[in-house]
Parts: sequence; C-alpha cells; structure tokens
Amino acid sequence: LAKTTQPISMDSYEGQEVNITCSHNNIATNDYITWYQQFPSQGPRFIIQGYKTKVTNEVASLFIPADRKSSTLSLPRVSLSDTAVYYCLVVTGGTSGTYKYIFGTGTRLKVLA
Amino acid sequence: AAGVIQSPRHLIKEKRETATLKCYPIPRHDTVYWYQQGPGQDPQFLISFYEKMQSDKGSIPDRFSAQQFSDYHSELNMSSLELGDSALYFCASSFTYRDEKLFFGSGTQLSVL
Repeated sequence: LAKTTQPISMDSYEGQEVNITCSHNNIATNDYITWYQQFPSQGPRFIIQGYKTKVTNEVASLFIPADRKSSTLSLPRVSLSDTAVYYCLVVTGGTSGTYKYIFGTGTRLKVLA
Repeated sequence: AAGVIQSPRHLIKEKRETATLKCYPIPRHDTVYWYQQGPGQDPQFLISFYEKMQSDKGSIPDRFSAQQFSDYHSELNMSSLELGDSALYFCASSFTYRDEKLFFGSGTQLSVL
C-alpha cells in the first residue's frame, strides 16, 4: 500500500485559496487518489478523486502531476465552515475485486475570520 | 437521499462485556467497510465485506467479528471489551464497480467503562 504524507495542520483566512499537498511516492499503476473531509464526530465525506492530470468539481480541484507521486487538493475561497480534517487516500485494489481505503494522518485545516 | 444508517448512536458498556454495532448501507450498495476512530486519532480500517463475503481485513482484534447479511446490512460484534475499545466506529458503504466513493454513516460512539 502506498503511504501518504500530508502536512499535519494548516491555517488560512476566509476567502483565500487553500492548497494541501499529499505525497505518495509508492503509488502503483492502478491506484487512484481520493480526498475526504471530516468534521468532528462525523463520518468522513468524499470531496474528489482522480487518477492523473486535473479534476474539478463544484467544491474543489485536484491536481496530479505526470509522475503521480504527489497530488494537491485546492479549495477555492475557503470559509469558516471549511475548518475540518482533510485526508488524502491512495485507493488500491484489494482482494475480491474491491478497493482498500486506508486513512493516513490527515491535515487539520483551520480557517480564520 | 438515503444515507448509511448506524445504530446505536451511543453505547456504554462495562469492561469484559460484549457489544453489537449495526450498519445499514445505502440501498443497492454491496460493499461495507468498518472503521475505528479513537479520540484525536485518524480512522483505522477494521474489515470490509463485498456481496456478503469478507473482502479485506485490517487491524481488527481477534475479539471482534463481523458479518454482512443477505439484506446487505452488517454487524460488528465486539467481545471482552477493553477500555481501549472506546472509540467512534464508522461504517461506510459503496457500490463496487459502479461508484467507488465511500459513503459514511454518523458512527456509533462506544464508551467502555
């Protein structure tokens, strides 16, 4: 399983763009990258996923360079409600054809007024 | 939209007692994952099931067992409870081969006294 490394914490101000970079040097060819957000005492919530290049949805963008050894989650114009823990996961095929979702140490983002 | 349902929401047990946590996945979802999250910790993968068969195993203690039933709901059985088992237990479901996003329930807060 590819190990992920993210910053432990980040602070930002409302209205700013936040970029959280995750390194995953041992990512395998068939693995893909996904990001989850978690608020205290709640289950993680899917944000975005991708395999390579750039993916954008209504809440975030995900940038993955050609070598796929890292990925960057970009949150445009954060608000106080974006204060949460953000997890980068490298999703790998498990046995029986399903996938393995292993959480590493997430990034605690604090958005300040 | 239907979400993942977990019950009970809170559970208080004494040491050495047993506990059963239940998870009802989103309709049509065929894969269930169990995670344990201690205070201030990141979610730890315990076990997963696909089409009622165990698909992957993580750091699940031998005192714990789980299964997925014919209606796809899953139960996590915990015996000989220890103080260290106090944690938030999350269940997540996905629709394998269709949409690999994990959808998490609100969790069961287990307190072992």
